[in-house]
Parts: sequence; structure tokens; C-alpha cells
Amino acid sequence: EVQLVESGGGLVKPGGSLRLSCAASGITFNVAWMSWVRQAPGKGLEWVGRIKSKTDGGAIDYAAPVKGRFTISRDDSKNTLDLQMNSLKTEDTAVYYCTAVGYGDYVSASWGRGTLVTVSS
Amino acid sequence: EIVLTQSPGTLSLSPGERATLSCRASQSVPSNYLAWYQQRPGQAPRLLIHGASTRATGIPDRFSGSGSGTDFTLTVSRLEPEDFAVYYCQQYGASPPTFGPGTKVEIK
Repeated sequence: EVQLVESGGGLVKPGGSLRLSCAASGITFNVAWMSWVRQAPGKGLEWVGRIKSKTDGGAIDYAAPVKGRFTISRDDSKNTLDLQMNSLKTEDTAVYYCTAVGYGDYVSASWGRGTLVTVSS
Repeated sequence: EIVLTQSPGTLSLSPGERATLSCRASQSVPSNYLAWYQQRPGQAPRLLIHGASTRATGIPDRFSGSGSGTDFTLTVSRLEPEDFAVYYCQQYGASPPTFGPGTKVEIK
């Protein structure tokens, strides 16, 4: 069974930084494509970005609202996925979900429980 | 980017009834790469359908997806108590992938 566990959420001031992590198990992580999806309080889902496996080239792509501010990385030796978030804005407040891609290039087949990031002064 | 709209916003039904949810795209979804997710209150979303009509592993056969081009439908043949939730469609045929705003299926 795939298990994805996010950590690192919390309260941060506008302009600040935060790093989220996702620990994966039950999955062959080094060949998995991974993504982050977020959900603002009471709102719908928003794709944040995706990283391919190194064996598939390791390409990373981002949603326009976070490009240049967020960085996705992976450590295949530790089965972890990270999301470094800089220059945070109030509109980045959301639950951030780590997901494993499957069935299609951007389909989130497995989800973690999410971690809440609150950007507020 | 492809914009998805879902209707109705809220569907009020009783257990045992049939639910029909619509997802419409602003332009044709390449290869009909359309997925459906279910999100129960307080839980993470769960993948139900991919490729417009293929159920994900472990999804009961009361869930079915259909459609092509710009018009897609998720049908729940007989609602079980655990099916009352919010349902999102997602297109992944074009980058960036986008989600619809969701349809809430509530108990009447």
C-alpha cells in the first residue's frame, strides 16, 4: 500500500519561506513521478508542480502562480519529496498534498493526508 | 489553459438514487485525458476514474465515467452513504493540468 506523509507545514509571514517534505513508502520511489497539489481553505484543488523520475529525465514543471518561487526536489536515497516555498504570499495559504503520479502524466493516483501552510502577518 | 466547469454545483439526493455529474471543458481535452476524484469531508481526494472512463484500482463498479471532447459525465448508479462527498474533474491532456470547481453531492 502506498503511503505518503507530508510534514513541515505551519504559520509563516508574507515574504517568508517554508520547506515541506513528503516521506513515501510502499512505492518504488526512484521510478515514481511525484507531484504537489494544493487546496485553499474551502476551495477546490490546484496543481502546483510535478517532478519526473531521474530515469525519465527528472524534468520539473510548475504552475504559473508558483513558478520562480517554489522548487520541487527529490532524494531517491531517502524516498522523500520536498517543496521549497520562497517569497510566500497570503494566497499560498492552503493544504498541500503530496501525490504519486499514475495512469497518466499528471494524474494523482495516490495522495498523502496533506499539510497546512498558513501565510499571514 | 483549459478551463473546466462542473454542474450542478450541488446535487441533493437520497441513498440508493442515481447521481449524474457533468464536467465541461473550454476546449477539447486531448486524448480524452479526463480524471475524476472524490473528496470526503476532512479527507484527501481519491482517484476514481482516468482516461474518461477507466476505473482506478479498487473503485466500485457503481462509479462510471463517460464522454469525450469537451463534455464528460461521472455517474454513480446507486448512492451509498459513503458516496456523499465532493467530486472534482481534472484534465491532464494539456499542460498545465487543471481541475474543475467541484460538485458537492449531499444527502437530501
